[in-house]
Amino acid sequence: GQNIDQPTEMTATEGAIVQINCTYQTSGFNGLFWYQQHAGEAPTFLSYNVLDGLEEKGRFSSFLSRSKGYSYLLLKELQMKDSASYLCAVRDRGGGATNKLIFGTGTLLAVQP
Amino acid sequence: NAGVTQTPKFRVLKTGQSMTLLCAQDMNHEYMYWYRQDPGMGLRLIHYSVGEGTTAKGEVPDGYNVSRLKKQNFLLGLESAAPSQTSVYFCASSPIGRGTDTQYFGPGTRLTVL
Repeated sequence: GQNIDQPTEMTATEGAIVQINCTYQTSGFNGLFWYQQHAGEAPTFLSYNVLDGLEEKGRFSSFLSRSKGYSYLLLKELQMKDSASYLCAVRDRGGGATNKLIFGTGTLLAVQP
Repeated sequence: NAGVTQTPKFRVLKTGQSMTLLCAQDMNHEYMYWYRQDPGMGLRLIHYSVGEGTTAKGEVPDGYNVSRLKKQNFLLGLESAAPSQTSVYFCASSPIGRGTDTQYFGPGTRLTVL
């Protein structure tokens, strides 16, 4: 079967660092995406990993371990505007033929002053 | 460049009514998708299309139909709405899935079925 697990909610303090974990079990793997979704808005792309290791993009970094079926999103120097849901998604085994994504249920992050 | 647009933004239907949701993209993307998002369920794929004139079923296709007569448009139809179809519907488009080719989402349609 296909399954993607993320914590439902997390709380962190402004200026701190938070790590959001994602574990996956899918029939195939062709890349992992992280999206950010503010309340009432559309998901927007944050990061992409296909090889093991860390990808850094400003305050956001994403890590992947394919052998463990594990990824995390690291947010540094948290700001109030980072309060949002963070969605982990795995590209389906169809890969480029369909570019279908399998989404986790998302992690709702609340940043407190 | 408007990206992905959806109409309408909000709609209230009575059980048994029908409606069509319109998605349009101006990025010349080949692939388009319809999702529904419910609390605690995440985004679930309803139908998708890999090109003009082609459609395929996703994870939760029952009760919905789609058409892609033009490359830039993807229509989602509800023939006989049910309360279980109350949800937020997102359309997305993407280039062919190489590397970082991601999906781009529209702003969503909030549908309530009474």
